[in-house]
Amino acid sequence: AQSVTQPDIHITVSEGASLELRCNYSYGATPYLFWYVQSPGQGLQLLLKYFSGDTLVQGIKGFEAEFKRSQSSFNLRKPSVHWSDAAEYFCAVTTGTASKLTFGTGTRLQVTL
Amino acid sequence: EPEVTQTPSHQVTQMGQEVILRCVPISNHLYFYWYRQILGQKVEFLVSFYNNEISEKSEIFDDQFSVERPDGSNFTLKIRSTKLEDSAMYFCASSEFAGLITEAFFGQGTRLTVV
Repeated sequence: AQSVTQPDIHITVSEGASLELRCNYSYGATPYLFWYVQSPGQGLQLLLKYFSGDTLVQGIKGFEAEFKRSQSSFNLRKPSVHWSDAAEYFCAVTTGTASKLTFGTGTRLQVTL
Repeated sequence: EPEVTQTPSHQVTQMGQEVILRCVPISNHLYFYWYRQILGQKVEFLVSFYNNEISEKSEIFDDQFSVERPDGSNFTLKIRSTKLEDSAMYFCASSEFAGLITEAFFGQGTRLTVV
């Protein structure tokens, strides 16, 4: 069965610092990978997705993620974090229909000024 | 920008009571979903719904759960007899299409507390 692991439950970074949130997946076939963000009181918003092609994908809000098949990873990065990026971030994988997403447990990002 | 809206944002209910969680998907979307997140755990898929019938459901979605699209705009999740372990955040989502290209848009969630 497919699974997603986000090893970091909570990360704190200073505003302006770079950010990398880790995501590892376990799935036999080519995965389709997503990163979602949930701000307090808000729904899950799609940041970016990887289906095929270029392994470095760009998303909204200045985020990017790199698919590394050899490491079964899809880490999310941002070169310079803003205070408004404080939120919970979820990595997710699907087999091919975007209905049945399998999510990780999430990483809560705190940004200090 | 169109969005998925869920009501109520928080519901407290007594164990054994029936609850209905409501969702208004984006108007031109055809595929609807429910997910839930128990506190501290993963967001889990419950059910997908298309053309007035369930297209896929997880093992969590047992006989105490049901979904319905009672009119052209609402999509509901009913829990017949709530248990303490049903306490969770429930997310509704909708998408225009099924398949690889689609994006599922999520609502802000309903926090259900069973006491």
